[in-house]
Amino acid sequence: DIVMTQSPDSLAVSLGERATINCKSSQSVLYSSNNKNYLAWYQQKPGQPPKLLIYWASTRESGVPDRFSGSGSGTDFTLTISSLQAEDVAVYYCQQYYSTPPQITFGQGTRLEIK
Amino acid sequence: QITLKESGPTLVKPTQTLTLTCTFSGFSLSTSGVGVGWIRQPPGKALEWLALIYWNDDKRYSPSLKSRLTITKDTSKNQVVLTMTNMDPVDTATYYCALPHGPFGVFDYWGQGTLVTVSS
Repeated sequence: DIVMTQSPDSLAVSLGERATINCKSSQSVLYSSNNKNYLAWYQQKPGQPPKLLIYWASTRESGVPDRFSGSGSGTDFTLTISSLQAEDVAVYYCQQYYSTPPQITFGQGTRLEIK
Repeated sequence: QITLKESGPTLVKPTQTLTLTCTFSGFSLSTSGVGVGWIRQPPGKALEWLALIYWNDDKRYSPSLKSRLTITKDTSKNQVVLTMTNMDPVDTATYYCALPHGPFGVFDYWGQGTLVTVSS
């Protein structure tokens, strides 16, 4: 299995400031044949199912505000919220879906709060 | 409009078999490239992928749970069924079904989830 490790486990950021969450995979999720990173990010608010934010490591899902961005390649990835809003308080998960059909694993989650 | 809804027992006893049904609308599991997956989340813990089934009846399972899981589909009823044998209290979780983005394991539509408690 590919193990996904997020850091930090929790994060407190002031409103309007930048929030950065990291995700590291135990092996590369970059598929050489199409040069795509099989890495997604989700946001989960209390009592709700996860919401897909980003896939292919940096492609924003339709309707997701552009303050959310994803970067990285291979084994190291980052989710950045450029200017934190109150509604961004949530737990964020990275997920790899390497290979088709996939074997899927999630990170342990990062809890984002307002400082 | 795409919707998914999970149904099944809220309480099961240890050693029993859990059967969950995902009833969906807005897409068809007979369409090439379409699949439905199951993911669970113990209270206060992380997400864990369980299984995926595709339009061509290709099935994929979490390696750690493969021996206990069976996923099937009923295309005519727009349903996917997940069974998990030999339930244990550690299997207490909210179970979600979700629609992946094409053949890839990125889930862009989710049900609201159903909480299953395993207790005697």
